[in-house]
Amino acid sequence: EVQLVESGGGLVKPGGSLRLSCAASGFTFSNAWMSWVRQAPGKGLEWVGRIKSKTDGGTTDYAAPVKGRFTISRDDSKNTLYLQMNSLKTEDTAVYYCTKPTCSGGSCYEGGWGQGTLVTVSS
Amino acid sequence: SYELTQPPSVSVSPGQTARITCSGDALPKKYAYWYQQKSGQAPVLVIYEDSKRPSGIPERFSGSSSGTMATLTISGAQVEDEADYYCYSTDSSGNLVVFGGGTKLTVL
Repeated sequence: EVQLVESGGGLVKPGGSLRLSCAASGFTFSNAWMSWVRQAPGKGLEWVGRIKSKTDGGTTDYAAPVKGRFTISRDDSKNTLYLQMNSLKTEDTAVYYCTKPTCSGGSCYEGGWGQGTLVTVSS
Repeated sequence: SYELTQPPSVSVSPGQTARITCSGDALPKKYAYWYQQKSGQAPVLVIYEDSKRPSGIPERFSGSSSGTMATLTISGAQVEDEADYYCYSTDSSGNLVVFGGGTKLTVL
């Protein structure tokens, strides 16, 4: 069973930094693409970005609002996904979900979800 | 940037058919997926690859896609189907993923 457990959320001031972690189990992490999705309070789901497996190049893609400020990385030896968030803005306040894309025939969707961790950006 | 457009809200009476649409320029070439999210819970996939239903999802949930529009249909909607529904797909390159803005389904 896929298990994803996020940690690292909390209160941070605008302009500050925060690193989220996601501990994964129940599947072969090194073979998996992994993503982050966020949801601002009372708002919709927003895809943040994705990292491919090293065998698929280990490349990253980001949504426009976070590109250049957020960095997704992975440590396959620790089965852990990271989201480094810099230059945080109040509009980054959200619950951040770690997700595991399920891919078939060249098409993927977010198949596994963690419980989420809340990030609040406020002075 | 790429966008998927959904109506903000849909309202039906119990037993009626609810239809939620999602429009996007890349949908003729890319699959649509649909998620259900109830208050305080993580999203649940209800339709994948335009029209396939995951195991455990009731048969009243169905999906279709034609041209630039995908549609989630709930035939005989029930009170427990009240939730927010999000479509999900990618841009034409496949590198950028996007969720629609979400549709609040009210069944009363």
